[in-house]
Amino acid sequence: KNQVEQSPQSLIILEGKNCTLQCNYTVSPFSNLRWYKQDTGRGPVSLTIMTFSENTKSNGRYTATLDADTKQSSLHITASQLSDSASYICVVSLPPGGYQKVTFGTGTKLQVIP
Amino acid sequence: GAVVSQHPSWVICKSGTSVKIECRSLDFQATTMFWYRQFPKQSLMLMATSNEGSKATYEQGVEKDKFLINHASLTLSTLTVTSAHPEDSSFYICSASEIAGVSYNEQFFGPGTRLTVL
Repeated sequence: KNQVEQSPQSLIILEGKNCTLQCNYTVSPFSNLRWYKQDTGRGPVSLTIMTFSENTKSNGRYTATLDADTKQSSLHITASQLSDSASYICVVSLPPGGYQKVTFGTGTKLQVIP
Repeated sequence: GAVVSQHPSWVICKSGTSVKIECRSLDFQATTMFWYRQFPKQSLMLMATSNEGSKATYEQGVEKDKFLINHASLTLSTLTVTSAHPEDSSFYICSASEIAGVSYNEQFFGPGTRLTVL
């Protein structure tokens, strides 16, 4: 069983609508949790990074939240655009330094349609 | 800043040949580089971690003699797929981490290389 589970697996929304992607993890403790956007055929690009003590982080229309008690994170996309169509990956890093051991989520494939 | 490039972006080769993929950090010194493989509709799977000037650490199940990794400088790491077979066809992605910015230990990803073995 993957230590980082994401839902839904895929999602189709209309342009301009909001959506929320979920990430449930069992990795604990952890150093930081990141959300990445991966366009088809491209490498992942970082959207947000949160340490275990942070509970929200925004980057433009992207807002990530973290609930360390329930081991859940969410990524909220506001006013979606066609260019938001991509896979979104939740990544949890293990301590102490964390960067050498990361666990990738299963990803959510988002499609924004006009 | 923090740009990582890969070359080539795609490659098609015959079965049995070897293919080299380059990963470069363009504007920072990458003391650690990571190589991932991603099959369609699956998440990234870490293959190996390489630190500049030392041997790479391979993940369980990854054949080190088949996937040769060299990290000879702080800006360049190479992955050579030796005697490639069709089952090696995949999307290979590298990432780089800079010790100086260690507070978040962020990995910066390259754009990936699509390998197709005929």
